[in-house]
Amino acid sequence: DIQMTQSPSSLSASVGDRVTITCRASQSISSYLNWYQQKPGKAPKVLMYTASSLQSGVPSRFSGSGSGTDFTLTISSLQPEDFATYYCQQSYSTPLTFGQGTKVEIK
Amino acid sequence: EVQLVESGGGLVQPGGSLRLSCAGSGFTLSSYWMSWVRQAPGKGLEWVANIKQDGSEKYYVDSVKGRFTISRDNAKNSLFLQMNSLRTEDTAVYYCARGGIMMFSHLDVWGQGTTVTVSS
Repeated sequence: DIQMTQSPSSLSASVGDRVTITCRASQSISSYLNWYQQKPGKAPKVLMYTASSLQSGVPSRFSGSGSGTDFTLTISSLQPEDFATYYCQQSYSTPLTFGQGTKVEIK
Repeated sequence: EVQLVESGGGLVQPGGSLRLSCAGSGFTLSSYWMSWVRQAPGKGLEWVANIKQDGSEKYYVDSVKGRFTISRDNAKNSLFLQMNSLRTEDTAVYYCARGGIMMFSHLDVWGQGTTVTVSS
């Protein structure tokens, strides 16, 4: 199975900050890497797919990059509605696996 | 509006069974791979299983193999998860999610989740 490791596990940031979350795969997954946002009590929502494609309707302050084993999600200017938990997920092979999550909290 | 709505969750004793359903609307479910994803209380997301458009391919996470069965009824735009021999560690919110036309796609539509509690 492909293990997905996110860092950091949590971070505190202020509105307007630039935030970067990293995700590392235990083996190459090409660009089959997706990012999800989840708010408490809600279902996850896809933000980015195939590493760098922005899902329709998602604000352009979100961006993704990477290929192979190392990936990043960047929020260029953190907004109040962005405080949530973020998960990466590989869709290269089954079992599909998620990272452990990164909780973004208000500083 | 594209939507998925799960049902069938509840409280069940260890060793018991439960069948989850997921009804799709606003799109043709038969065109997509479909998945079940779960989230234990206070924990992260865990993919459980997925199924091809015509039901000819099914894949499972190791921890549920032989106990859970994913299926679909395209005529009714519905997805199912039959869960047998339930364990306390199966306690979670279960989400159904839409994949893509190809197997290794992102999950772009999610239901609101149904809660399964396994406890004596």
